[in-house]
Amino acid sequence: ILNVEQSPQSLHVQEGDSTNFTCSFPSSNFYALHWYRWETAKSPEALFVMTLNGDEKKKGRISATLNTKEGYSYLYIKGSQPEDSATYLCAFRANDYKLSFGAGTTVTVRA
Amino acid sequence: ETGVTQSPTHLIKTRGQQVTLRCSSQSGHNTVSWYQQALGQGPQFIFQYYREEENGRGNFPPRFSGLQFPNYSSELNVNALELDDSALYLCASSLGGLAGDNEQFFGPGTRLTVL
Repeated sequence: ILNVEQSPQSLHVQEGDSTNFTCSFPSSNFYALHWYRWETAKSPEALFVMTLNGDEKKKGRISATLNTKEGYSYLYIKGSQPEDSATYLCAFRANDYKLSFGAGTTVTVRA
Repeated sequence: ETGVTQSPTHLIKTRGQQVTLRCSSQSGHNTVSWYQQALGQGPQFIFQYYREEENGRGNFPPRFSGLQFPNYSSELNVNALELDDSALYLCASSLGGLAGDNEQFFGPGTRLTVL
């Protein structure tokens, strides 16, 4: 079982503020790192699939960076809006190709 | 383009019973993965089917089994249910089998409660 940790477990953000949180994963046998957003009562939705060390990806106000050598990825939300409230999951894919998920960071944006 | 659907939405079973959960993949996807999410944890990989064959399995006992059909829809079967099997079961479809790094498209899940 691969250890994928996300921190913090939850956070509250004022509307308009920016925030970021972390996904830590094993630094060996890296294949890919996935980020998903999971809103209440909906299906998890893919945000990014990252494969290269130093990779940076962006979708609207959400962006992510990847450091495979030290085993971490940051997800950033710029100018948080109430619709950004969700649980954000990261998932590590090793060379055996199976996805190992973290427990998620739950973001609540207060108006 | 239709999304991933799962049935039923909720299910209550008793210990020792058997259950079958169903998943319809997104159109054009040939790979389906099943996950178990217990309360407070991230989804745990159960297994993956690619072109009707199981081609990857997580740390789940043999009483968890599956099928993928020619139209790429899938079933998850759990025999001899235990209380700890109570969880949300998610399926996700994608392209390319285990080696593909394509994003996965998730269904809404089936909430199983074992009493």
